[in-house]
Amino acid sequence: AQTVTQSQPEMSVQEAETVTLSCTYDTSESDYYLFWYKQPPSRQMILVIRQEAYKQQNATENRFSVNFQKAAKSFSLKISDSQLGDAAMYFCAFLKDSSYKLIFGSGTRLLVRP
Amino acid sequence: ETGVTQTPRHLVMGMTNKKSLKCEQHLGHNAMYWYKQSAKKPLELMFVYSLEERVENNSVPSRFSPECPNSSHLFLHLHTLQPEDSALYLCASSLVPGQGTDTQYFGPGTRLTVL
Repeated sequence: AQTVTQSQPEMSVQEAETVTLSCTYDTSESDYYLFWYKQPPSRQMILVIRQEAYKQQNATENRFSVNFQKAAKSFSLKISDSQLGDAAMYFCAFLKDSSYKLIFGSGTRLLVRP
Repeated sequence: ETGVTQTPRHLVMGMTNKKSLKCEQHLGHNAMYWYKQSAKKPLELMFVYSLEERVENNSVPSRFSPECPNSSHLFLHLHTLQPEDSALYLCASSLVPGQGTDTQYFGPGTRLTVL
């Protein structure tokens, strides 16, 4: 069975600074996908970034980038130039290829200090 | 906001009540999902429907009964719930389920409290 672990229940960052959220996962699968989702307070969860396991290049989306270490089963999210609107719960998730079942971590609450 | 809506947004019910949660997607997607988000647990997938057929039932108690009459609507019928069923219930939809390149779009959720 696959598991996803987010060891940081809460993180804090100064506006305009950079923060990294950690995620590790456990799987015996070789083909899978990893995701970071953002859930702002009282708002809908949205996809931030996706990484295909077969790609060595780390995914980037504007200020968001990942550090994907397949051998270490690590998938961290880096947010550069943090903004007040980045404050939210961030969830790491795993999807086995050809599966319907997204497996989520417990989440990290990100606070952004003005 | 995404094109997935959920009603009601808040629901309080007694253990003997019967109620239903509704989800509607306006994105032309083929799959719909129910998730449970409890305070101290990761999001848990409950049910998946693909082209109106249930393709995943993640060991959910029978007091939760899903219904998918068409690809745009999904219901979760609730009866004889327990206080530990209190949670945020999230609906999601996606275009091509079972593919990693697929993106799930989430609704705002229904906050359920069982007294």
